[in-house]
Amino acid sequence: ETGVTQTPRHLVMGMTNKKSLKCEQHLGHNAMYWYKQSAKKPLELMFVYNFKEQTENNSVPSRFSPECPNSSHLFLHLHTLQPEDSALYLCASSHLRAGIQETQYFGPGTRLLVL
Amino acid sequence: SQQGEEDPQALSIQEGENATMNCSYKTSINNLQWYRQNSGRGLVHLILIRSNEREKHSGRLRVTLDTSKKSSSLLITASRAADTASYFCATDRAAGGTSYGKLTFGQGTILTVHP
Repeated sequence: ETGVTQTPRHLVMGMTNKKSLKCEQHLGHNAMYWYKQSAKKPLELMFVYNFKEQTENNSVPSRFSPECPNSSHLFLHLHTLQPEDSALYLCASSHLRAGIQETQYFGPGTRLLVL
Repeated sequence: SQQGEEDPQALSIQEGENATMNCSYKTSINNLQWYRQNSGRGLVHLILIRSNEREKHSGRLRVTLDTSKKSSSLLITASRAADTASYFCATDRAAGGTSYGKLTFGQGTILTVHP
């Protein structure tokens, strides 16, 4: 248990559905991240939030919409997804201080299947 | 090619043998981190080594860093079947000592330890 939780753990959705992924960290960190992990590809950073401010949007399509209401919670809102968006979505958190990226703590992930 | 490339892509050994995985990167870094991922789960942090360090140990793990060659290695001694997982290196890239504020992950090495 790393102190980062993600819900749901598994999600099946149609291309016209709207769903949200939730991440919560109990570690007092100031930065949170969304990653996408597809088969046979490196982990892809999607979004970075530092003290609730989005500091990175790694050219992610607008059908993925992040929300960070406070430094402990992070959401990823999904709408009109494509089958190629099926992947493991990982949330992570860390201390980001003085320009140094410290250890990231990952949640267990949400396995998403888009039909 | 990308930052944080692991070598080999796959490694298969017998229990009790040592496993060595390598990571190469291209830019200046603040630190390099190794993570482990069991199938379909979140990543677990193993070791962080800073750019001014050359070697670190943690239990059966030994990490080296050679900044002149821009490479790192992870050694797992006396491997166990439970060490079977994917192993990733991740770099905190830096420009002039300032972090980009994110980790860059490689594609990983799949380690299989046979009982």
